[in-house]
Amino acid sequence: GAVVSQHPSWVICKSGTSVKIECRSLDFQATTMFWYRQFPKQSLMLMATSNEGSKATYEQGVEKDKFLINHASLTLSTLTVTSAHPEDSSFYICSARKAGVGNEQFFGPGTRLTVL
Amino acid sequence: TQLLEQSPQFLSIQEGENLTVYCNSSSVFSSLQWYRQEPGEGPVLLVTVVTGGEVKKLKRLTFQFGDARKDSSLHITAAQPGDTGLYLCAGVGAGNMLTFGGGTRLMVKP
Repeated sequence: GAVVSQHPSWVICKSGTSVKIECRSLDFQATTMFWYRQFPKQSLMLMATSNEGSKATYEQGVEKDKFLINHASLTLSTLTVTSAHPEDSSFYICSARKAGVGNEQFFGPGTRLTVL
Repeated sequence: TQLLEQSPQFLSIQEGENLTVYCNSSSVFSSLQWYRQEPGEGPVLLVTVVTGGEVKKLKRLTFQFGDARKDSSLHITAAQPGDTGLYLCAGVGAGNMLTFGGGTRLMVKP
């Protein structure tokens, strides 16, 4: 199998606070993980690519200081939304690519963030 | 930047009808994937098409990759309410990065 989990599945926070979202590959090692954002009734937009042991690569228009990504192990990547604002409310989805095997990305179940 | 245009954006049909979703790009992709996503969940891979002109069938779903590997279609025969969901195409480009189309929201009414 290739199972990816995310925690929490949903979170509500106050404006100005920071929120950490975890993405774990449960039964495989992932050298690369990806973070996507999906606004209501829209498609997935890639935010950043997270490589184990190195700095994340951010897509154009994504603030690296606002969306902190850490990929400290082969099974865990975290996304921290710092000083969250209502416009950051979205569905955040991670995916993981198996180390050294093909190019398929396995998607997590997503985390719904609501910033009040 | 590689862009994928998906059409239609929304589709509401009666159970038993057929439908086709299109995914078009001006760019060539090494392969193309189709996903289905339920509300509040992550996308689930349905199929990957790799070769130009390739046709793959998954029960009542037929996927086709264009000869030039720039476009793809998903055809559903005799749609059922259980087919309701968001269908996403994604082109696999350089570095095996995914570029998602805008999605097609399908509702099949009983």
